[in-house]
Amino acid sequence: EAQVTQNPRYLITVTGKKLTVTCSQNMNHEYMSWYRQDPGLGLRQIYYSMNVEVTDKGDVPEGYKVSRKEKRNFPLILESPSPNQTSLYFCISRAAGGDTEAFFGQGTRLTVV
Amino acid sequence: AQRVTQPEKLLSVFKGAPVELKCNYSYSGSPELFWYVQYSRQRLQLLLRHISRESIKGFTADLNKGETSFHLKKPFAQEEDSAMYYCALRRGYQLIWGAGTKLIIKP
Repeated sequence: EAQVTQNPRYLITVTGKKLTVTCSQNMNHEYMSWYRQDPGLGLRQIYYSMNVEVTDKGDVPEGYKVSRKEKRNFPLILESPSPNQTSLYFCISRAAGGDTEAFFGQGTRLTVV
Repeated sequence: AQRVTQPEKLLSVFKGAPVELKCNYSYSGSPELFWYVQYSRQRLQLLLRHISRESIKGFTADLNKGETSFHLKKPFAQEEDSAMYYCALRRGYQLIWGAGTKLIIKP
């Protein structure tokens, strides 16, 4: 089954404790991206990657890092989480090209206290 | 700048009534637009795309370049249509998202 898998689904952590949210896709997609979803603000892009070893900042990259060492994986790293990073995070993957559907992970709800 | 605007954060209609979820965009080129839906406790998923001009679950959306709109419509709302709806515009590899509209269908 084609899917995007995020882990963990839920996470409560303390300010400053490094964490990683994993994202894996089994569709051999070139493009992967991380978004955060906040009430009233919709989806805002954090980082994206157009292929292995190619990453770039989205609209709200501050406080986040990513890596793309393999095509299937695109982890999101919070080196020193802060309460304003409390949010719902989504990983997306798409094939290269124009009119291709974006596949979403199931989301990770992060709370930083 | 490219932008997608969904002016309504919340839309509440009665079952059987027509539904229109508004989406306006600003884009200098030829736009490619999508509607995504997120049902309760489920992940976001593609509902329809303007290129295919399809009707999915009774929903249609027509691209109006003159008004720069891509409104989502359904003539008779059903309770299972209650969800969060996002309009998105493709910009190269990226998708630009609207803020979303929460649709509530009242019985």
